[in-house]
Amino acid sequence: DGGITQSPKYLFRKEGQNVTLSCEQNLNHDAMYWYRQDPGQGLRLIYYSQIVNDFQKGDIAEGYSVSREKKESFPLTVTSAQKNPTAFYLCASSIDGTGNQPQHFGDGTRLSIL
Amino acid sequence: GENVEQHPSTLSVQEGDSAVIKCTYSDSASNYFPWYKQELGKGPQLIIDIRSNVGEKKDQRIAVTLNKTAKHFSLHITETQPEDSAVYFCAATRNSGNTPLVFGKGTRLSVIA
Repeated sequence: DGGITQSPKYLFRKEGQNVTLSCEQNLNHDAMYWYRQDPGQGLRLIYYSQIVNDFQKGDIAEGYSVSREKKESFPLTVTSAQKNPTAFYLCASSIDGTGNQPQHFGDGTRLSIL
Repeated sequence: GENVEQHPSTLSVQEGDSAVIKCTYSDSASNYFPWYKQELGKGPQLIIDIRSNVGEKKDQRIAVTLNKTAKHFSLHITETQPEDSAVYFCAATRNSGNTPLVFGKGTRLSVIA
């Protein structure tokens, strides 16, 4: 089946730790995205990548980092600089990065602070 | 920059009734408007979308209407069923700034059997 796989489903972070969330897609999409979702809020864009080896900051990039070394993979690192990391993180992909194509989402990773 | 307002934030309807969710946007250059359904613990799933050259689109019990002059678009669900209960998000393209797609804050729909 084609789709987007996020792992792990649940993740716990200690104070001062960096953690990395995985996102893999086999849809052959050029563009990939990371969103943060807080209770009662919409989806806020952290980073996106329109093509391999290139990515742009979204509206809330501070405290996060990404890489796009392969077309099918777009890992997100939540660094210790992110002071309020507890949230539901969603990865998505689309055929291109124009915003005019549907985005397909994974089932998310819930990050909590110990 | 683009701003998307979504109303209502919560909506309860009796099974079999219709549900309507409305969104307004600010960027007159926006040209793509998707709607997503999110069930508990899952990622959002695209249920219908509309482009700016079309005023209405229908897919079985779901329809979306777009009023470009007023800059608003609406999701209509007819003959609601309990499995329609979920959070629904609208979105619109943004042609400036650093976000390709801007999302509304969501509507929690409850269909009461």
